[in-house]
Amino acid sequence: GESVGLHLPTLSVQEGDNSIINCAYSNSASDYFIWYKQESGKGPQFIIDIRSNMDKRQGQRVTVLLNKTVKHLSLQIAATQPGDSAVYFCAEKNSWGKLQFGAGTQVVVTP
Amino acid sequence: DGGITQSPKYLFRKEGQNVTLSCEQNLNHDAMYWYRQDPGQGLRLIYYSQIVNDFQKGDIAEGYSVSREKKESFPLTVTSAQKNPTAFYLCASSAAGGYQETQYFGPGTRLLVL
Repeated sequence: GESVGLHLPTLSVQEGDNSIINCAYSNSASDYFIWYKQESGKGPQFIIDIRSNMDKRQGQRVTVLLNKTVKHLSLQIAATQPGDSAVYFCAEKNSWGKLQFGAGTQVVVTP
Repeated sequence: DGGITQSPKYLFRKEGQNVTLSCEQNLNHDAMYWYRQDPGQGLRLIYYSQIVNDFQKGDIAEGYSVSREKKESFPLTVTSAQKNPTAFYLCASSAAGGYQETQYFGPGTRLLVL
């Protein structure tokens, strides 16, 4: 999940396993959500997005699930690879039209 | 990095000095943004611009200034009034209008204080 502070939560995943990264968002009126991947020292890369009128969306090796009832978003990565090691964070578009970003989860892929 | 370039990659600032971070995009996006990233924290919005010659303060604008004279360029100046400038600075852009506001990011500039 997300947290604020110096230490990000860490998800350790064995290569080839599936990863599930969670995000709790704050605003029930948020209508658009994005997942980003950020490798060390680089800018965030867009992974996948989802609108609030959907509860699931699939991309290449990734699936985003949205549960509006409990304000929860998750990113599933299938067959995790070493290149998937990075910080993953979610963003929500709030009622003022601005994106708000979570602090992220560090994913570490072990051989 | 989706057609967004930032320079320099590393920047060193001396006490009392103003420094300017460059951001250029060739995506023909109308909107551009500057964020600050500190360890273990989410991105915080400094300034944003939805159209040329117009910009608005974000959540942490104090000690920073911007200009938007051209659609493709949105430089950020970190002034001497910013007392804790050490951070990773990220520029982003998005197409204006429509439902989606996916922001695409540049590679970032790391600012360090000497």
